[in-house]
Amino acid sequence: QVQLVQSGAEVKKPGASVKVSCKTSGYTFTSYGITWVRQAPGQGLEWMGWISIYNDNTNYAQKFRGRVTMTTDSSTSTAYMELRSLTSDDTAVYYCARYPGNYPDYWGQGTLVTVSS
Amino acid sequence: QSVLTQPPSVSAAPGQKVTISCSGSSSNIGKNYVSWYQQLPGTAPKFLIYDNDKRPSGIPDRFSASKSGTSATLGITGLQTGDEADYYCGTWDSSLSAVVFGGGTKLTVL
Repeated sequence: QVQLVQSGAEVKKPGASVKVSCKTSGYTFTSYGITWVRQAPGQGLEWMGWISIYNDNTNYAQKFRGRVTMTTDSSTSTAYMELRSLTSDDTAVYYCARYPGNYPDYWGQGTLVTVSS
Repeated sequence: QSVLTQPPSVSAAPGQKVTISCSGSSSNIGKNYVSWYQQLPGTAPKFLIYDNDKRPSGIPDRFSASKSGTSATLGITGLQTGDEADYYCGTWDSSLSAVVFGGGTKLTVL
């Protein structure tokens, strides 16, 4: 079955960077994109962007351009999302999800990133 | 402020039916497919509906959806206490070149 397993919770200081991993299984990694969505405490879903596994093309949400980098490693079927220059507003649960092109379908379990001094 | 507008909460009794609306514009719902997600407390979102009205395998037919113009609707019949969750609509916005979500609707099964 399709599974996306994310790395564990992180605590970071303001100004630092965080890199979240998303290991996939149960499907052909190169046939689908990966999208990243975050959810601040008590808030709704916020789309961050997506990456095509086929050609590594990326499309980042305007809000995160210049601060986020999404990458993949086809040899391990793993996707990564790095967010830099963290502030307390970046405290959230970060989700990866498989992206067929129209919508995220299978989601990872989420990674809590806490930014605190 | 979400691009798509959902009611903050809806409620109904067990066994009853409920609908959740999702309102957008010509640049998102008006020209792109809508998907719906269920987020049980403390868990990741789970996709319920794709391409406006299609259910992935394993999603019971108690869940249905439709789209008309710039609005979409999720319907749930035969409500169960296990349906208590937050529900989100989502779609592509062609003007923003971004996936956009509604603010979420909390379903309470009384």
